[in-house]
Amino acid sequence: QVQLQGSGPGLVKPSQTLSLTCTVSGGSISSGTYFWTWIRQHPGKGLQWIGYISWTGTTYYDPSLKSRVTISMDRSKNQFSLRLSSVTAADTAVYYCARAGVDSNGGHNWFDPWGQGSLVTVSS
Amino acid sequence: DIVLTQSPATLSLSPGERATLSCRASQSISTYLAWYQEKPGQAPSLLIYDASNRATGIPARFSGSGSGTDFTLTISSLEPEDFAVYYCQQRSNWPPTFGQGTTVEIK
Repeated sequence: QVQLQGSGPGLVKPSQTLSLTCTVSGGSISSGTYFWTWIRQHPGKGLQWIGYISWTGTTYYDPSLKSRVTISMDRSKNQFSLRLSSVTAADTAVYYCARAGVDSNGGHNWFDPWGQGSLVTVSS
Repeated sequence: DIVLTQSPATLSLSPGERATLSCRASQSISTYLAWYQEKPGQAPSLLIYDASNRATGIPARFSGSGSGTDFTLTISSLEPEDFAVYYCQQRSNWPPTFGQGTTVEIK
């Protein structure tokens, strides 16, 4: 059973870069056809899809964050990562990593499973 | 982007009662809708996919219905562990979007 575990600093200063890593266990990040995903939840608010990296290494980002987001994959460590640059207080959120399968049209399927969230606070 | 509007924001019910949650899309999304459950301190988990299919291990008291723009999640008889926040999510149009959530709380 695949499990995901996010990790990274809980506090980031404004204008710096937020970096989080998701470690995948119980399965190889290189096997199968999946989209390795980052989603965030602002305090007291709903969920926002950030982006994902496909099994081929192709990345897709939310247009509102595209200029600041990089998602990458380290197959040797069975991990994928999120970098969000030039952060502000508006980036304070719980960040989740998740996996999505591929549907019959080659697009992403549903997000399952999810890792435990990582609270990241942007503050000086 | 497709906007998903969930109602009500909060549902106050007692164990054993029936819960009916709504999710309305800003345009037709066929049946490309999922429901997730989020319990305090836990990550969201997939409940229902493709509008009406229960995910693996989900009890039969959870059911989903709808197509186009109007969707419903029904919990036939609330168990204590069902008091949580529920989100809908669409994947019909890119980017995928989520509703703001409905909190099912104990009355």
